[in-house]
Amino acid sequence: GNSVTQMEGPVTLSEEAFLTINCTYTATGYPSLFWYVQYPGEGLQLLLKATKADDKGSNKGFEATYRKETTSFHLEKGSVQVSDSAVYFCASNTGFQKLVFGTGTRLLVSP
Amino acid sequence: GAGVSQTPSNKVTEKGKYVELRCDPISGHTALYWYRQSLGQGPEFLIYFQGTGAADDSGLPNDRFFAVRPEGSVSTLKIQRTERGDSAVYLCASSPWEAGVSNEQFFGPGTRLTVL
Repeated sequence: GNSVTQMEGPVTLSEEAFLTINCTYTATGYPSLFWYVQYPGEGLQLLLKATKADDKGSNKGFEATYRKETTSFHLEKGSVQVSDSAVYFCASNTGFQKLVFGTGTRLLVSP
Repeated sequence: GAGVSQTPSNKVTEKGKYVELRCDPISGHTALYWYRQSLGQGPEFLIYFQGTGAADDSGLPNDRFFAVRPEGSVSTLKIQRTERGDSAVYLCASSPWEAGVSNEQFFGPGTRLTVL
């Protein structure tokens, strides 16, 4: 079946540092790919998505590119802020319906 | 506009008891999903409704778990004879439906179930 693997955390960075959180997937067919974010005390929110190979999703300064050749969807941000501290989940979508999530990566940004 | 709401926010029960968890989706969303999130893990799919019918219940772990959505809006997840291993956060999500499109799922805050 489909699966998603993402780097373990926590990832600890200073403010304005560059962020990469790795995500790779296995799938039959061509899934859509997502990054969800869970801020402390809040529910899951969609951060960005890409629906086909070479698509780039972007939002709030975060970006991720759907790489079919490496089956990856790494999340990047050029300059993180303290307010970006959260848990980030990579996910794939099979059959346009259920989401398959990675285990989550906690990001801690210090001033 | 109201988002997805779930009640109760916390539920503590004893092993062997029956529990019901409620989800109110965003108005007009025809698709509704239930996921379970154990500590330190990502959400795991349980069941998906399209309207009133369960289109995919392949994630339900066993026959103690059951979910309904009788009028195509509110959904209830029912767990019989609860076990300690059922302790988790149960998440509900809803989405609009357009065939052939990966519709964004909007998540509720979850119900934290603790089985003692």
